[in-house]
Amino acid sequence: EVQLVESGGGLVQPGGSLRLSCAVSGFTFSNYWMTWVRQAPGKGLEWVANIKQDGSETYYVDSMKGRFTISRDNTKNSLYLQMNSLRAEDTAVYYCARLGGARGPPGYWGQGTLVTVSP
Amino acid sequence: DIVMTQTPLSSPVTLGQPASISCRSSQSLVHSDGNIYLSWLQQRPGQPPRLLIYKNSNRLSGVPDRFSGSGAGTDFTLKISRVEAEDVGVYYCMQATQFPHSFGQGTKLEIK
Repeated sequence: EVQLVESGGGLVQPGGSLRLSCAVSGFTFSNYWMTWVRQAPGKGLEWVANIKQDGSETYYVDSMKGRFTISRDNTKNSLYLQMNSLRAEDTAVYYCARLGGARGPPGYWGQGTLVTVSP
Repeated sequence: DIVMTQTPLSSPVTLGQPASISCRSSQSLVHSDGNIYLSWLQQRPGQPPRLLIYKNSNRLSGVPDRFSGSGAGTDFTLKISRVEAEDVGVYYCMQATQFPHSFGQGTKLEIK
């Protein structure tokens, strides 16, 4: 069974940093592109970043470029999102998902982890 | 960047009746490889999103056949032939033809 479990969310002050993790099981992690998608409370979905199977290609939404870094460790079956210089508007549930290729689709999702940026 | 616009934003539907959601992109979603990387996802209350349709019209295995996707160029539609109670939730279109990928605002499907 394919499983994705996010962790690392929590309360952080503006300007702070947080590292999210996504532990996967039930499939060969190194064979798949992966993505992070976020959802602010009561709002819609927002694509954050994608990463290629070997980590050699990454793509970001402009508003997060330079502040967020997507990475992966195929030996640990884990996906990461390093978030720096956090702002109140980064408050959201962050989902990791498995993609069917560089251009999706996002077929399997985790349950999400909540990040709250507040003084 | 490609902007995805969904209409309506809210859709009250009677059980057993059809429903239709429109998604319009600010640029053509036809990739140079000929594919249309347009997906439809469903998000039930309190749940993560669930993929229904990919590459415009391909239904994911296990998705009821009352769901169908169609469209071309910049105009796309998700149709539910007969709405059931379990279909309540928010529906999103998503384009992956061009980076950055982007979602529509979401359409809330409710039962009248």
